[in-house]
Amino acid sequence: EAGVAQSPRYKIIEKRQSVAFWCNPISGHATLYWYQQILGQGPKLLIQFQNNGVVDDSQLPKDRFSAERLKGVDSTLKIQPAKLEDSAVYLCASSRGSGRAGTDTQYFGPGTRLTVL
Amino acid sequence: AQKITQTQPGMFVQEKEAVTLDCTYDTSDPSYGLFWYKQPSSGEMIFLIYQGSYDQQNATEGRYSLNFQKARKSANLVISASQLGDSAMYFCAIVENDYKLSFGAGTTVTVRA
Repeated sequence: EAGVAQSPRYKIIEKRQSVAFWCNPISGHATLYWYQQILGQGPKLLIQFQNNGVVDDSQLPKDRFSAERLKGVDSTLKIQPAKLEDSAVYLCASSRGSGRAGTDTQYFGPGTRLTVL
Repeated sequence: AQKITQTQPGMFVQEKEAVTLDCTYDTSDPSYGLFWYKQPSSGEMIFLIYQGSYDQQNATEGRYSLNFQKARKSANLVISASQLGDSAMYFCAIVENDYKLSFGAGTTVTVRA
């Protein structure tokens, strides 16, 4: 079974530029998550999709970040314009999204390391 | 309030020995799940082991075992027979009834030959 795919793996941009990340979840997984992980910290949830609907985007900085999951499969996360503090690893994860919440294991992709200069 | 507390920022362990990574959690939900992930320097978060709040027995997966003490709200990870490839950051995380994973700050493990 293929894992979660993400691209690009690395991206360097200048502040005020825009950037987009792509994620393809594990086949059949209904729930998709985007996390931001700043160096030295644990990941922080940005947005959670169930199929193609948003379940939680309470921690997404909506003035500059946007995300979509068309057709309930692939997802893109965009930052426009980028700030220096957006430098982080952006992790995508997916889970089956069924059954009791506490049993739903999330599987992560390799992440995209973003550097904003 | 922090949902997950990992008090050990870094640990050293000799190859072939066991190491215990501490994790305490805070939740009022009766149903929750506890997870441990490994993050090597490559950056990928690798799922290691899961413990459900209603599970009576401690979870085990190969060389990984979870010492679950529900009354103390503790879910320590034990890695037995450490290998050089175990050198990584280890994160404890909890899922409550909202499906959201909340991570601790992590513990860096360095295995010495």
